[in-house]
Amino acid sequence: NAGVMQNPRHLVRRRGQEARLRCSPMKGHSHVYWYRQLPEEGLKFMVYLQKENIIDESGMPKERFSAEFPKEGPSILRIQQVVRGDSAAYFCASSPPLNYGYTFGSGTRLTVV
Amino acid sequence: GQNIDQPTEMTATEGAIVQINCTYQTSGFNGLFWYQQHAGEAPTFLSYNVLDGLEEKGRFSSFLSRSKGYSYLLLKELQMKDSASYLCAVRPAGYSTLTFGKGTMLLVSP
Repeated sequence: NAGVMQNPRHLVRRRGQEARLRCSPMKGHSHVYWYRQLPEEGLKFMVYLQKENIIDESGMPKERFSAEFPKEGPSILRIQQVVRGDSAAYFCASSPPLNYGYTFGSGTRLTVV
Repeated sequence: GQNIDQPTEMTATEGAIVQINCTYQTSGFNGLFWYQQHAGEAPTFLSYNVLDGLEEKGRFSSFLSRSKGYSYLLLKELQMKDSASYLCAVRPAGYSTLTFGKGTMLLVSP
């Protein structure tokens, strides 16, 4: 069991480009959560998904950001037309259906230049 | 809404004991978690409390008082590798998501 896999580990995008961040949950985990971490800030919740369903997206900016967790394949966090303020570490976590805590992936560090 | 407070930084000496406090205000409560995060790495799970009292796990213990909205993480026999950020997180009632505090950066010196 390889744990929660995120890729890429580092991603550099120019302003206006699209960023795609991938997350494969642990085997047996059907719940996926995305968090953003800015320097000197805590982990901020963005979105919670189960297979083919967005359960809670209350932390996601209403524009430019979207997330999906298809029936097959990894969960994707998509940021369109990136701006410098999107530079951050994006962490994905997964949990089994009876959720007593998360297992985090190693994160994707997005830098917008 | 939720509000979680923890000290920004703490320092301690190798071999000592340190207590990291966390206070929270939530609309309902369904568990408190502590995570450790080394710089540039993923947070890793340390402990979970849902009932009042102390949970002990090796060198680490976590305490919860629901009536006071208060928890602490106790680290004994500190080692240099314990230098990290310690994150307090709360799960409000009726939610699966966790709300995190800003974390406490612990520096252990020789």
